[in-house]
Amino acid sequence: GNSVTQMEGPVTLSEEAFLTINCTYTATGYPSLFWYVQYPGEGLQLLLKATKADDKGSNKGFEATYRKETTSFHLEKGSVQVSDSAVYFCALLTNFGNEKLTFGTGTRLTIIP
Amino acid sequence: SAVISQKPSRDICQRGTSLTIQCQVDSQVTMMFWYRQQPGQSLTLIATANQGSEATYESGFVIDKFPISRPNLTFSTLTVSNMSPEDSSIYLCSVEDLGFYTEAFFGQGTRLTVV
Repeated sequence: GNSVTQMEGPVTLSEEAFLTINCTYTATGYPSLFWYVQYPGEGLQLLLKATKADDKGSNKGFEATYRKETTSFHLEKGSVQVSDSAVYFCALLTNFGNEKLTFGTGTRLTIIP
Repeated sequence: SAVISQKPSRDICQRGTSLTIQCQVDSQVTMMFWYRQQPGQSLTLIATANQGSEATYESGFVIDKFPISRPNLTFSTLTVSNMSPEDSSIYLCSVEDLGFYTEAFFGQGTRLTVV
């Protein structure tokens, strides 16, 4: 079946540091890949997505590249801000009539000034 | 895109009681889902809410404990029945846009505490 393995947290960084949150997946076929973010007290919001190999999703300074050869979709940001403190979820969606998202365990990120 | 209104946003309930959570979408959607997010954990799919038929439950979840209604393409309810402290979680409604670029949208969640 499908699965997503995500870097465990919590992760604490100083403001302006470089961020990487690792995500690898197992899926049949060619899934679409997503990063969702959950700010304190809120629901999930889509941060970025990629639907095919070598696609790069980007939003709010975050980037992730769909790497089919390594089955990875690592999230990166060059300079984090305090406002980036949240929980980040990697997820995948397969395209074989099973339209249910499979989530990673989530990574809690805290940015300190 | 889809805008989802979920309520209540939070509640504190006595054990043995039931709580019904509502999910309203601003457009007609085919697929609506209910997730549970236990403290410090990821999301677990409870069931797919089907319009006009019984919900499809995931392994470990049963209709008697989590009855779901889906009377039309914009509205669904999830009831958490006969609650115990183990049911304390965030419950999230989600819908999916099955266009070419599939995307899921989430409500803001219902934070449930059972005492």
